[in-house]
Amino acid sequence: GENVEQHPSTLSVQEGDSAVIKCTYSDSASNYFPWYKQELGKGPQLIIDIRSNVGEKKDQRIAVTLNKTAKHFSLHITETQPEDSAVYFCPRTTGTYKYIFGTGTRLKVLA
Amino acid sequence: GAVVSQHPSRVICKSGTSVKIECRSLDFQATTMFWYRQFPKQSLMLMATSNEGSKATYEQGVEKDKFLINHASLTLSTLTVTSAHPEDSSFYICSARVDGQTQYFGPGTRLLVL
Repeated sequence: GENVEQHPSTLSVQEGDSAVIKCTYSDSASNYFPWYKQELGKGPQLIIDIRSNVGEKKDQRIAVTLNKTAKHFSLHITETQPEDSAVYFCPRTTGTYKYIFGTGTRLKVLA
Repeated sequence: GAVVSQHPSRVICKSGTSVKIECRSLDFQATTMFWYRQFPKQSLMLMATSNEGSKATYEQGVEKDKFLINHASLTLSTLTVTSAHPEDSSFYICSARVDGQTQYFGPGTRLLVL
């Protein structure tokens, strides 16, 4: 099936720096792009999402940008804090409402 | 809003026994619930899609007789791991959908089969 590629697979940043994670998709019919954060031993938590009719969305330190032409969307975290350390996922959304998860990005914020 | 709970949070059982995991949407009625499993440091793998009052739809390779799903109401779905074996040890996570495509996930249930 068509997948979502996520980069990088691991990312280490210094506290206070910004982190950017990029997802590339191949299905031009995709119209919903969520980002989830999963902390160790917990379920994924929706942190931000965007729909195909919007180019950018921001919520405090978190933003998501969508480039429909290039078929990629990115998660931006500014002023990173140690509690931002987690695995971040951008699951592929399907017409049957199922999510297909990729391998995720492991973010480590160094204090 | 959109809170999903799971019970138990962790369970240890002997090989050959069955284990039931509950997934509840606490403040909304879920059109659809999903069950995933996750091995350490790996991604979430969708096991099945569950709609209230109908049979679950299982993903390829998932044994429906092994993983029984009952979706009794719009706020409750249960996953029963029958005749559990050590290889069934995993982190089981459910999610719920109201409308649209957004899924809200539960906190997960860690199963250890001895």
